[in-house]
Amino acid sequence: DVQLVQSGAEMKKPGESLKISCKGFGYRFTRFSIAWVRQKPGKSLEWMGTISPGDSNIKYRPSFEGQVTLSVDKSINSAHLQWSSLKASDTAVYYCARLDESDGSYNWFDIWGQGTLVTVSS
Amino acid sequence: DIQMTQSPSSLSASVRDRITITCRSSQSIGSYVNWYQQRPGNAPRLLIHTANILQSGVPSRFSGDGFDRDFTLTISSLQPEDFATYFCQQSYSYHYTFGQGTKVEIK
Repeated sequence: DVQLVQSGAEMKKPGESLKISCKGFGYRFTRFSIAWVRQKPGKSLEWMGTISPGDSNIKYRPSFEGQVTLSVDKSINSAHLQWSSLKASDTAVYYCARLDESDGSYNWFDIWGQGTLVTVSS
Repeated sequence: DIQMTQSPSSLSASVRDRITITCRSSQSIGSYVNWYQQRPGNAPRLLIHTANILQSGVPSRFSGDGFDRDFTLTISSLQPEDFATYFCQQSYSYHYTFGQGTKVEIK
């Protein structure tokens, strides 16, 4: 079964650091880029950035650049999203999603992780 | 960023009803639209990609249409498991953006 499995829920204080993970199963991990998507409570989906595990090429949404860091560890088929100093406004569910680019220039998010709830509160 | 505007933001319908959700982009995007379903507490699930291509494993009662700026998602006969929130998404620009969502509720 092709799937993305994310790390568990986190509760942190403002100013703390955090790294969450997304592990791919059932496919060649380096063939597909991984995107991270934020969903605040009761809100829509917001693309944060995309990383290509093959060459670690990264594209960030401008509003997230400098606020988060995307990385991959090909040896364990995992992508990571990290913060160096969390804010209360980072409270959200974070999803990783596989980017299927198999049809020329068209692409879509075909496999999603189950989501990681990050709660930041003093 | 390309803005994606969905309508309605919510709707009430009954099992076996036919419903249509609309998505309009702020600029021309050809067929670069995907649709997702999100049930409460769950991750989004891909339904339709490239405006009208049904993702493998998705029931045929779901269909997509449109080109340029105006797109639709239609469910031909609502089933109990279809009560969820639906999002459109553009992939014309790699600064991907989603619509605000349409919540489909039971009447």
